[in-house]
Amino acid sequence: GAGVSQSPSNKVTEKGKDVELRCDPISGHTALYWYRQSLGQGLEFLIYFQGNSAPDKSGLPSDRFSAERTGGSVSTLTIQRTQQEDSAVYLCASSRAGGVGEQYFGPGTRLTVT
Amino acid sequence: DQQVKQNSPSLSVQEGRISILNCDYTNSMFDYFLWYKKYPAEGPTFLISISSIKDKNEDGRFTVFLNKSAKHLSLHIVPSQPGDSAVYFCAASFAGNNRKLIWGLGTSLAVNP
Repeated sequence: GAGVSQSPSNKVTEKGKDVELRCDPISGHTALYWYRQSLGQGLEFLIYFQGNSAPDKSGLPSDRFSAERTGGSVSTLTIQRTQQEDSAVYLCASSRAGGVGEQYFGPGTRLTVT
Repeated sequence: DQQVKQNSPSLSVQEGRISILNCDYTNSMFDYFLWYKKYPAEGPTFLISISSIKDKNEDGRFTVFLNKSAKHLSLHIVPSQPGDSAVYFCAASFAGNNRKLIWGLGTSLAVNP
């Protein structure tokens, strides 16, 4: 079946603009995670959705970042008033449930803020 | 504070030999550990995992060993193949943390023909 898909694959934006990144998880996966990897850094957790529960937003770096998951499926990560330090690869992952088990990753969106 | 540490940024081995990638962690709450492999411009791909109740898990050429007392795990690849060349990430999670993965910085493995 189809894996996790993300769009766009690349995004170049000017500082101060808003961007939206999209994630389509694997069908039937109830857990969805967003991570980002900045240049030379490891992957950093951003936000977690599990079913209809309130999302775990503990990893969001500032209030410019927000995410939603509509209908328990597609998720959108929004970054408002982008800054150069937001430049990174944003990765989405899904898993069958929030329990133990591997997370399946999409190819990522490379965001460059100029 | 890096809770998951991969102290070797790179490793080079000959084809056919064993590759050993190491990972140390500091948080004793972690109860599940995973290894992911990542090629450039792709997302990480799950490789193998181990629960903290075990000390070894094997899948084909890949074996993960866990030493809880030392808070250390390692990934063995034998025999190594050129297609194994990639960046390998160690990650850990625990239930009280919504199973979000805490990642090491990765080790770049080069398998030379």
